[in-house]
Amino acid sequence: QVQLVESGGGVVQPGRSLRLSCAVSGFTFSSYDMHWVRQAPGKGLEWVAVVTYDGSKKSYADSVKGRFTISRDNYKNMLYLQLNSLRPEDTAMYYCAREYSGTHPRDFFDYWGQGTLVTVSS
Amino acid sequence: QLVLTQSPSASASLGASVKLTCSLSSGHSAYAIAWHQQQPEKGPRFLMKVRSDGSHDKGDGIPDRFSGSSSGAERYLTISSLQPEDEADYYCQTWGADFPWVFGGGTKLTVL
Repeated sequence: QVQLVESGGGVVQPGRSLRLSCAVSGFTFSSYDMHWVRQAPGKGLEWVAVVTYDGSKKSYADSVKGRFTISRDNYKNMLYLQLNSLRPEDTAMYYCAREYSGTHPRDFFDYWGQGTLVTVSS
Repeated sequence: QLVLTQSPSASASLGASVKLTCSLSSGHSAYAIAWHQQQPEKGPRFLMKVRSDGSHDKGDGIPDRFSGSSSGAERYLTISSLQPEDEADYYCQTWGADFPWVFGGGTKLTVL
């Protein structure tokens, strides 16, 4: 069955860095665009970043552009999110999500992980 | 910029039905949306995609109690025979060629 398992979260001081990982199984990882979505405590979902199936294209939310970097390793079935210059407002649960692979250039998310918590605090 | 609007809360009795609404902003009534359920302390779960014509495609293992429909710029999620485990937050999501993926603010459903 499809599984996405995030890791790498923790407590970090403002201005520092962190790398999140998402291990996937149960599907052909290299065929799917993958996303990171975050959820601040008590708030709704916010899309963060996407990487295409082959890693050739990446896109970011304005709130993280220039600070976060999404990447993937299709040999290891791993998705990553490098978080630099962290701010208190980056405190959130971070989820990886798979984008449905249909005929449209963009589509909905059909599988999600359970999340990893990032807390930015001094 | 496309905006999805959801009521912050809804409630219904155990065994009853409830209809949740996701409203697409002006000029975007043709867009499909997806519904996601987030139970307490869990990651979201995809429920279904709902198109502007009301047709919907459900995710793996989603019970028949869950259905989708549309009217104009409104997209609906109907849950019948409410169960305790249906108490959750429900988010709608949309996407397009010219804007990033967008989520509604979510509806917190309470099963009485």
